[in-house]
Amino acid sequence: DIQMTQSPSSLSASVGDSLTITCRASQSIKYNLNWYQHKPGTAPKLLIYAASTLASGVPSRFSGSGSGTDFTLTISSLQPEDFATYYCQQSYSSPRTFGQGTKVEIK
Amino acid sequence: EVQLVQSGAEVKKPGESLKISCKGSGYFFTSYWIAWVRQRPGKGLEWMGIIHPLDSDTRYSPSFQGQVTISADNSINTAFLQWSRLKASDTAMYYCARVEEFHVLFEKFDAFDIWGLGTMVTVSS
Repeated sequence: DIQMTQSPSSLSASVGDSLTITCRASQSIKYNLNWYQHKPGTAPKLLIYAASTLASGVPSRFSGSGSGTDFTLTISSLQPEDFATYYCQQSYSSPRTFGQGTKVEIK
Repeated sequence: EVQLVQSGAEVKKPGESLKISCKGSGYFFTSYWIAWVRQRPGKGLEWMGIIHPLDSDTRYSPSFQGQVTISADNSINTAFLQWSRLKASDTAMYYCARVEEFHVLFEKFDAFDIWGLGTMVTVSS
């Protein structure tokens, strides 16, 4: 299985801040990387697929980059509704493993 | 509206059997793979397996092979996840999700674009 490692595991930020979450794969996954947002009591939401393509309806303050083994999710100008847990997922091979999650909390 | 509606929360005893469901609506159910994802309390997301409702082609994560059974009934647009003998360690939220294929620069990528709200399964004596 491909191992996905996110960092940090959690972070505190303020509304208006910019932040970056990193995801590293244990082997090259080319551009096969997705990002999801998950809030308690709700269904996870697809944010980004193919490493950098925004899913439908996702605000442009979210962006993704990277290829191979190293990827980032950036949120510019954090909004109150962005406080959530973020997961990366590789879609290069089965099983489609997830990172352990990064919890973004209000400072 | 495209949605996946999951069955309600379950409380079971160790050793009991269970089958939970995920009903798709608003799209052609037989055109998309359906995935199951586990989230144990306080933990992250784990990919369990997928099924194609058209022909019931099923793939399991090695971690879940033999532990659960994934099935589908396309006459009622529903996918299922079942256990024959539950364990306390099966206590978790279980999500189903639709697998969408995207084409970017002539390459194909997949991601979970529609998710159910989850079914909480509690196994306790």
